[in-house]
Formats: sequence, C-alpha cells, structure tokens
Amino acid sequence: ELKVEQNPLFLSMQEGKNYTIYCNYSTTSDRLYWYRQDPGKSLESLFVLLSNGAVKQEGRLMASLDTKARLSTLHITAAVHDLSATYFCAVPLGTYKYIFGTGTRLKVLA
Amino acid sequence: DTAVSQTPKYLVTQMGNDKSIKCEQNLGHDTMYWYKQDSKKFLKIMFSYNNKELIINETVPNRFSPKSPDKAHLNLHINSLELGDSAVYFCASSQWGDRGRETQYFGPGTRLLVL
Repeated sequence: ELKVEQNPLFLSMQEGKNYTIYCNYSTTSDRLYWYRQDPGKSLESLFVLLSNGAVKQEGRLMASLDTKARLSTLHITAAVHDLSATYFCAVPLGTYKYIFGTGTRLKVLA
Repeated sequence: DTAVSQTPKYLVTQMGNDKSIKCEQNLGHDTMYWYKQDSKKFLKIMFSYNNKELIINETVPNRFSPKSPDKAHLNLHINSLELGDSAVYFCASSQWGDRGRETQYFGPGTRLLVL
C-alpha cells in the first residue's frame, strides 16, 4: 500500500527564515502535486511536478521532485506570515486515485 | 465563476438521520472525487468517478452512497449518520490521464457535525 509521509508535521518558524518540508512516498510515481490549505478553507493547487528532476518556483516557494529517491521537497525562502497554512503533497496511485501526505502545518511568526 | 461548488457548507444533524451533499464542477473534467478530512486534517479518498462511472470505492461503509447523474455532478448521500461521520467532506475534480491537467480542483468543503 502506498504511504506518503511528510515531515515535519508541524513547523513554527520566524519570518525571514528558510526551511524545507519533505514528502517521501513508498512506491514508484513519476509525478507529484503540492497543495495549500488555509485554516477552515479548501485546498488549492500549488505545484505540479511531472518528471524526475522537475523544479517549480512561485514566489518564496520552490518544489522539486526526485523520483528515484521517491522524495519531493518544498523549500520556503525568507518566510512571511502569509505563508502560514497546511501544505499537502499528493501522489497518484494506479488509476483515478491520489494518496495525500499527512500534511505539514506551518506557522510563520512575526 | 466557481469551479467546484458544494452544498451545503455546514450540516449539523442528529445521529441516525440521513443527509445529502451535492457537488458540481464547471471545468469540463471527466473525473470527480469525494474526500473525507478528519479532525487531524488527514485527507482520505472515498470515491472516484469517471464519466459517471464509479471507479474507486475505498472500503467506505455502504451507508455512504455516491451518485453521479452526469459528468458535472457528484452527490453523496449518507444514511444512518454516526458520530464518527463528523468531518469535512470535500468534492474535487480533475482530468485524469492528461498529465498537464491532473491537478485536482477542490470544492469549499461541507462541514458535517453529527450530534
């Protein structure tokens, strides 16, 4: 059974600092998705990583995918309060099914 | 224009009651999903439909019955509600098989509280 683990589960960081969230998955996949969820809100797509070595950047967030290591990272540069949210990675499994990671709750302190 | 909409947004009901949640997407996607998010924020797939056909049923109790009248709609009916059904239920859609369009679009969620 596919397992998708994220770490850390909780992250409290100061504004201006850098940090990386990790997403490990247990079976072969050539693509991975990152989503953001604000408290009490829905999920919105952040990044779509479609191949080994893919790197995508949007503002202070950068995501990468290493399919051989079964690892994706979400790097935060110079964090700001607006980035406080829960971040999920998701991996497709078989057909018409995605497995979501455990989520990382990020809190950026002013 | 809302891409994926759900109604109702909040549902408070007594144990044993039956309730329905409706979902509609206007993105032209072929695939729709139901997810359950528990109090720890863990997100688990319940059902997947493609072109109105049930594809995935993740060992969900048969008190939960999804129905897709057409590609744009996926409803969820729950019979005999139990306390453990309290959660946020999200509908989502995507275009499975099209690598550039497989990202999922989520509805606003339905917060179900069973008393």
